[in-house]
Amino acid sequence: KQEVTQIPAALSVPEGENLVLNCSFTDSAIYNLQWFRQDPGKGLTSLLLIQSSQREQTSGRLNASLDKSSGRSTLYIAASQPGDSATYLCAVSGDSNYQLIWGAGTKLIIKP
Amino acid sequence: EAGVAQSPRYKIIEKRQSVAFWCNPISGHATLYWYQQILGQGPKLLIQFQNNGVVDDSQLPKDRFSAERLKGVDSTLKIQPAKLEDSAVYLCASSRRVDSRTDTQYFGPGTRLTVL
Repeated sequence: KQEVTQIPAALSVPEGENLVLNCSFTDSAIYNLQWFRQDPGKGLTSLLLIQSSQREQTSGRLNASLDKSSGRSTLYIAASQPGDSATYLCAVSGDSNYQLIWGAGTKLIIKP
Repeated sequence: EAGVAQSPRYKIIEKRQSVAFWCNPISGHATLYWYQQILGQGPKLLIQFQNNGVVDDSQLPKDRFSAERLKGVDSTLKIQPAKLEDSAVYLCASSRRVDSRTDTQYFGPGTRLTVL
């Protein structure tokens, strides 16, 4: 059974710092991995999707990497801003199961 | 294009009462999902529709939860009777294509349910 873990559960950093969020999964037979952002009172927004054959994806100040063999993904945020404050969740879909399996998220606070 | 709409945004009920949530997906999206997100946890898929057919309802507690998607557009999720452990945010999402693994899911703002 696939399990997704995100550590730490919460992170607070000063504005301007580069930071890394971590996601690990127990079954390497994944189809893809996605990173989402969740703002309070709002739904989730998809940030990046990495296919299992890819090593990384970039969008603006965000870069997500995937190491399928070790069951890990990282989300790198460059030059953090207060507007980046949110909860970041990763989710994986399996080769044989379409269902997304989600981590509990990392709550990120960027201090001005 | 308009996003995924959900109502109500908040609902407080007592245990053993019934409640219903409504979702209007993005126009033209074939796939619709209902998720349950308990505080401090990631979302858990309750049910997935492709057009008006059920693809996956393996985690739906069918003794108390039901869902339908009439005419392949709007959807309702019902809980009857509610339990304390049903307190959560109920998220609706939609995606354009049938193969949801390759497609972006768009989420509504959710309905926060509190069962007293």
